[in-house]
Amino acid sequence: AQKVTQAQTEISVVEKEDVTLDCVYETRDTTYYLFWYKQPPSGELVFLIRRNSFDEQNEISGRYSWNFQKSTSSFNFTITASQVVDSAVYFCALSEEGAGSYQLTFGKGTKLSVIP
Amino acid sequence: DTAVSQTPKYLVTQMGNDKSIKCEQNLGHDTMYWYKQDSKKFLKIMFSYNNKELIINETVPNRFSPKSPDKAHLNLHINSLELGDSAVYFCASSQGWAPDNEQFFGPGTRLTVL
Repeated sequence: AQKVTQAQTEISVVEKEDVTLDCVYETRDTTYYLFWYKQPPSGELVFLIRRNSFDEQNEISGRYSWNFQKSTSSFNFTITASQVVDSAVYFCALSEEGAGSYQLTFGKGTKLSVIP
Repeated sequence: DTAVSQTPKYLVTQMGNDKSIKCEQNLGHDTMYWYKQDSKKFLKIMFSYNNKELIINETVPNRFSPKSPDKAHLNLHINSLELGDSAVYFCASSQGWAPDNEQFFGPGTRLTVL
């Protein structure tokens, strides 16, 4: 079963629009960690945020915000007033403590295109 | 200055050849990883080493052999390359072996097998 689902394969928005990238995860662990990574066209993977399963506080960092809801097993990412530099593939990932292997399981990514 | 570096950045080779990709991290991390990103951008863990010891070995053909000469290096050797091995390979490192550790990724090596 897919543990991390990013149902939106590609999204296009016009610059300055807000956009939300969805991430739904599946785990039986009570302790787990969720991550978002950004992969711009240059190819490198950039860490954006980590959230543990006990901390449901939403987080805001500049134009970026994250909404973690355990009740719906979702960890959504919103970009406010999008800019062309936000164009990238965004990956949501899950790491489970109980699994022992601690590996990051990635979603398939959402390609965001911000059109000027 | 680069935290996690990989060489080469691009690798084009013929089927059947043997090739290696090198990875080095200067972050003082204990744990290193290899990931494969296919043409559809799907990222999957291949191997993980902690303090030079193999921790994760996902279902990867025996033709792939990682080697960690020391904690700062994790190289990937591939024997008898096949067309399906074409992908971008990412090396990563984290401070330790724990589920909450941020992983720092290298720039990737784009392997093309002809």
